[in-house]
Amino acid sequence: AQSVTQLDSQVPVFEEAPVELRCNYSSSVSVYLFWYVQYPNQGLQLLLKYLSGSTLVESINGFEAEFNKSQTSFHLRKPSVHISDTAEYFCAVSDNRNSGGSNYKLTFGKGTLLTVNP
Amino acid sequence: ETGVTQTPRHLVMGMTNKKSLKCEQHLGHNAMYWYKQSAKKPLELMFVYNFKEQTENNSVPSRFSPECPNSSHLFLHLHTLQPEDSALYLCASSRTGIGTEASFGQGTRLTVV
Repeated sequence: AQSVTQLDSQVPVFEEAPVELRCNYSSSVSVYLFWYVQYPNQGLQLLLKYLSGSTLVESINGFEAEFNKSQTSFHLRKPSVHISDTAEYFCAVSDNRNSGGSNYKLTFGKGTLLTVNP
Repeated sequence: ETGVTQTPRHLVMGMTNKKSLKCEQHLGHNAMYWYKQSAKKPLELMFVYNFKEQTENNSVPSRFSPECPNSSHLFLHLHTLQPEDSALYLCASSRTGIGTEASFGQGTRLTVV
C-alpha cells in the first residue's frame, strides 16, 4: 500500500516569488511519481512525472520537481510564479511493479492550494 | 481539451431522483475510473474498469451504480442519493501498464438537495 502526504494545504505567495510545494510518499516498493494541477472548475491535468532516469523533471511552464529516494520526497518548485499559476496541485504515486492488476492506479495526496497574489 | 468528456457539467437532483453521469474518452485507453472529490478531502477512487471489466470497487454505497459498456464509455447511475454525496465527480482514463498517467475529464458538479 502507498500513501502520499502533502504537508501544506494552502500556500499563498506574491507574484514573481519562488515557491515550493512539498510532497512525501510512503511505499514498500519502488514508485512512479506525478504532479497534477487543477484550475478552478476544471479536472486534473498532468504537470510532470518521474518514471526513471534523471531525478529532476521539468514541465513546459517552468515547474520542476526532484525525486529524492532517501527522503521519499518529490517536491514541486518554481523560481518565479505568475498569477495564472493559482490552482490546486496534487502529488500522486503509482506502484512500479508489473503486478498485472493494480499497477496503473494512482494514489493522490490531499492537494495544496497555491494562491499567487499581485 | 483532455480527450475525456463528461456530461453534464452541473447537476442538481433531489434525494428521490434517478440520474446518470456520462464519460467518454477518445484516447484509445482501456482503463477508466470514477473519482469523487469533496471539499477538504483527498480524491477518492470509487471504481476502476479495465477492458470493460470492473476491477475495483472501493466500498462505494450501492446508490452509486457504474456501467462500462465499452472501453470508451463509462456511466455512473445515481439513485436515492444523500446530501453528503454532493461533490465533484471526476472521470479518468489511462492505458494499463506501469508508469502510465491518467487523463481526467472536467468533472460533473453534483448537488443533492
